[in-house]
Amino acid sequence: DSGVTQTPKHLITATGQRVTLRCSPRSGDLSVYWYQQSLDQGLQFLIQYYNGEERAKGNILERFSAQQFPDLHSELNLSSLELGDSALYFCASSPRGTASTDTQYFGPGTRLTVL
Amino acid sequence: LAKTTQPISMDSYEGQEVNITCSHNNIATNDYITWYQQFPSQGPRFIIQGYKTKVTNEVASLFIPADRKSSTLSLPRVSLSDTAVYYCLVGAGSARQLTFGSGTQLTVLP
Repeated sequence: DSGVTQTPKHLITATGQRVTLRCSPRSGDLSVYWYQQSLDQGLQFLIQYYNGEERAKGNILERFSAQQFPDLHSELNLSSLELGDSALYFCASSPRGTASTDTQYFGPGTRLTVL
Repeated sequence: LAKTTQPISMDSYEGQEVNITCSHNNIATNDYITWYQQFPSQGPRFIIQGYKTKVTNEVASLFIPADRKSSTLSLPRVSLSDTAVYYCLVGAGSARQLTFGSGTQLTVLP
């Protein structure tokens, strides 16, 4: 158990809909990362927050947005969903904001299925 | 942005030592090398991190030659439960620079 929690575990929805994925980091960790993993794309970095502020942005679509709240939990919002958005979405947390030297602790993931 | 190259897959037998090499020819001076392990439908798990020479922890060793253009993850006496995908990451600072790539699928056979 990494100490990172993600909800829900599974999510099934239809095209065009909007969903929110939630992540609670390990106690004391200030940084949260979001990743998308699909069969054909591997593990793709989406976005990182550090202590409530956006720190780094990866290949995140404009239809996707995220935020980190004062209690450090984070939410990833996916809108106008398409079939291709079906994937595993992982959240990770780390103590500081330096991704390259911090150990990232990954949550169990949310499996999103868009029908 | 340091690009990494790893073998797509490797097979081994229980009890053997496994070495997975990652090439990173354009590694920058302040880049660190980090390895993660991922089981199916689970999030990656940190294995080991290093900058130069050799690093060892309770599960693996990481060998980095002087030129740092490659690194080798060594898993001693693997078991069936070590069957997983292993990712080599190289970068410094921003998460934007860290790419997991395709990783190496290690299959441990009985």
